[in-house]
Amino acid sequence: GAGVSQSPSNKVTEKGKDVELRCDPISGHTALYWYRQSLGQGLEFLIYFQGNSAPDKSGLPSDRFSAERTGGSVSTLTIQRTQQEDSAVYLCASSRNRGSNQPQHFGDGTRLSIL
Amino acid sequence: QQQVKQSPQSLIVQKGGIPIINCAYENTAFDYFPWYQQFPGKGPALLIAIRPDVSEKKEGRFTISFNKSAKQFSLHIMDSQPGDSATYFCAARGANAGNMLTFGGGTRLMVKP
Repeated sequence: GAGVSQSPSNKVTEKGKDVELRCDPISGHTALYWYRQSLGQGLEFLIYFQGNSAPDKSGLPSDRFSAERTGGSVSTLTIQRTQQEDSAVYLCASSRNRGSNQPQHFGDGTRLSIL
Repeated sequence: QQQVKQSPQSLIVQKGGIPIINCAYENTAFDYFPWYQQFPGKGPALLIAIRPDVSEKKEGRFTISFNKSAKQFSLHIMDSQPGDSATYFCAARGANAGNMLTFGGGTRLMVKP
């Protein structure tokens, strides 16, 4: 597809379990971002990848959250020992590069529900 | 700490009306201000964006007004239509911030037929 693809679209899991969320950016986009959107709230930045540079992890809320990007393309966001407050929509975006004139294109997100 | 404050949280207008959504920011290092439109179950989509060196930008029925001295910017939707019913987010990017966006809290707009 031409857009950012995220999977799964929905995930329900029990508290304490680990989850992995996947993002396929637009082909050729070197910058990739993860955001979290809690119910009725704005988007909260989590982590940013640019090419082969070290990621900007400044938005990760705790050490239970981690992300990697293999081969400069697909990214996986992992949440360990999930808590109920982790319930949210996790959105991935990509852009051609880090330049401010490059718009971020968002996927439709993964809706995560922690029981 | 919310660096971009958006108001109102919700807005209802009649078809043809001109909804106005306002945002205010604190960080003077912000240098790019996009607006995103989000429909239920979908990711945000870029609508229009402005830089602080201009005071107004129009794209179709959407206009951004920017007041650098007041650190405020707003979105106007001309001749609003029921299909414009969505949640709108303003955002801001800081120079040297790696293109990371700081978002406002969102405005849920309903345009009545």
